[in-house]
Amino acid sequence: EPEVTQTPSHQVTQMGQEVILRCVPISNHLYFYWYRQILGQKVEFLVSFYNNEISEKSEIFDDQFSVERPDGSNFTLKIRSTKLEDSAMYFCASISNGYEQYFGPGTRLTVT
Amino acid sequence: DAKTTQPTSMDCAEGRAANLPCNHSTISGNEYVYWYRQIHSQGPQYIIHGLKNNETNEMASLIITEDRKSSTLILPHATLRDTAVYYCIAVNAGGTSYGKLTFGQGTILTVHP
Repeated sequence: EPEVTQTPSHQVTQMGQEVILRCVPISNHLYFYWYRQILGQKVEFLVSFYNNEISEKSEIFDDQFSVERPDGSNFTLKIRSTKLEDSAMYFCASISNGYEQYFGPGTRLTVT
Repeated sequence: DAKTTQPTSMDCAEGRAANLPCNHSTISGNEYVYWYRQIHSQGPQYIIHGLKNNETNEMASLIITEDRKSSTLILPHATLRDTAVYYCIAVNAGGTSYGKLTFGQGTILTVHP
């Protein structure tokens, strides 16, 4: 069964550093998403991406965040200058033109 | 998106049916009811969705009331592996919010032997 993959599984970084989280969505999917989950809290929508542009973004997704689909397979989330409060699990998801959203296993980001 | 309300937690005996309720009294006509679950810290997993008819797939059944103000997810024969947080989400069918999921706190389902 096709699956969404994410790398790395765990990223540790120092406050103020840039991080790039990588995702490989399912190959024929058209819509891409990033969510995050702070430990013990609910899953929060960050951004949706379609046709090489952002469709919608949440209030969390400020100027420190950016997304890119640099080639036909990868979908990345960049945080320019990490803060302690960015520590969370980040999930990538994708969908074709159907309804079932497939989530990756997540990247645990720890900012020290 | 319409707000949904779920019980904080539920228990179920292994092999029995688990019935998870959800209230969505402000749901609009173009919003679907989706169910996802999250096992431990894994990525959420799609279970089932519906608009107004009852739906069944290999994982579960979804019963939506005629007025669409509430629904019930049924796991017919719960196993220990079904222990997870279950989310009921109202999803807009189109527009720029296509596919966007707004998670609540969900229901922690514990299946015990």
